[in-house]
Amino acid sequence: KAGVTQTPRYLIKTRGQQVTLSCSPISGHRSVSWYQQTPGQGLQFLFEYFSETQRNKGNFPGRFSGRQFSNSRSEMNVSTLELGDSALYLCASSSTGLAGLTGTQYFGPGTRLTVL
Amino acid sequence: GDSVTQMEGPVTLSEEAFLTINCTYTATGYPSLFWYVQYPGEGLQLLLKATKADDKGSNKGFEATYRKETTSFHLEKGSVQVSDSAVYFCALTDIFGNEKLTFGTGTRLTIIP
Repeated sequence: KAGVTQTPRYLIKTRGQQVTLSCSPISGHRSVSWYQQTPGQGLQFLFEYFSETQRNKGNFPGRFSGRQFSNSRSEMNVSTLELGDSALYLCASSSTGLAGLTGTQYFGPGTRLTVL
Repeated sequence: GDSVTQMEGPVTLSEEAFLTINCTYTATGYPSLFWYVQYPGEGLQLLLKATKADDKGSNKGFEATYRKETTSFHLEKGSVQVSDSAVYFCALTDIFGNEKLTFGTGTRLTIIP
């Protein structure tokens, strides 16, 4: 079974621009979560999508948004980029269901975003 | 809220040494506990997990036991190899329908031959 894939792997943007990152989950997984990893703040949860609905959200400004498509693929968007948005953005998928016990999250390789 | 406290690094050991990386947690519900490993330039790989008290997770010679009484999930390996050099993250999720992973700060492990 193919793992979680993320595209692109590397991005360089300038301040004020916007960016869209893509994530394809493991086949059959309906939950997709996004995390930001920086040396200073570590790994922080951005949001989780399940069946095209945002089910949970972390403490990030509204410039960070996401969506999920009917095939469970997900995108996250960051508008008006700031230098502090430079980070590794990780996507994870899980086989969790509508209700009940949480699943185990499997991560993709990440997208390295550099904001100049 | 939930939190994970992890042993500060970096940790440097000789090959075949015994490894312990300490992890303690604070959670209001019934968390599942995880260890993830990150190799240079890569994403996170699940190393092992435990979903209830006294469960032992194990994989590739690594072990960790879910201790509810001490709120701990320490990672151990009896004999480390150079290939174990990586950053190790302890994490938890609230077991009831919340996929959010709360991570520790990570411990960088270097094994010297």
